[in-house]
Amino acid sequence: EPEVTQTPSHQVTQMGQEVILRCVPISNHLYFYWYRQILGQKVEFLVSFYNNEISEKSEIFDDQFSVERPDGSNFTLKIRSTKLEDSAMYFCASSPGTSAQETQYFGPGTRLLVL
Amino acid sequence: AQSVTQLGSHVSVSEGALVLLRCNYSSSVPPYLFWYVQYPNQGLQLLLKYTSAATLVKGINGFEAEFKKSETSFHLTKPSAHMSDAAEYFCAVSAPGWGKLQFGAGTQVVVTP
Repeated sequence: EPEVTQTPSHQVTQMGQEVILRCVPISNHLYFYWYRQILGQKVEFLVSFYNNEISEKSEIFDDQFSVERPDGSNFTLKIRSTKLEDSAMYFCASSPGTSAQETQYFGPGTRLLVL
Repeated sequence: AQSVTQLGSHVSVSEGALVLLRCNYSSSVPPYLFWYVQYPNQGLQLLLKYTSAATLVKGINGFEAEFKKSETSFHLTKPSAHMSDAAEYFCAVSAPGWGKLQFGAGTQVVVTP
């Protein structure tokens, strides 16, 4: 069964460093998402991406964040200058269509720790 | 705006007993409702979803949920808990015109022998 994959599974970085989190969505899916979950808190929406542009972003997704689909398979989240409060589990998801009814398929997550 | 509230951050059930996880939603438009499960070190996996068809929705692994508009609820049940049901369960809401999911805080289920 096709699945969403994410790399790395864990990343430790120093405050102020740039990190890139990578995701490979399911191949025929059109809509891509990033969510994050700070330890002990809710899973929060960050951004959605469709047709090579951002469809929607939350207030969390400020200028420090960017997303890109550099080729036909990868979908990346970049944090330019990490802060301590960026420490969280980051989930990538994809869905086959744009309808809100569509199931979003989640990857296993990348646990980011900023020191 | 849409939001969900999950009552109980931790639930302990005996093997073979009923599993009941509560979710209440708030939505200004007819919602779409989802239950996801997260096993340790894995991503979120869809258990079931309500998208305005039948109000009683059956999902994987013997779970089901009933959409009750009058109670703004979408509680998840399973008649008989199995050890493999130990996981964290998330209720989420979306709505027409929304691409994102709004999640509840999650309920950690522990199954005791």
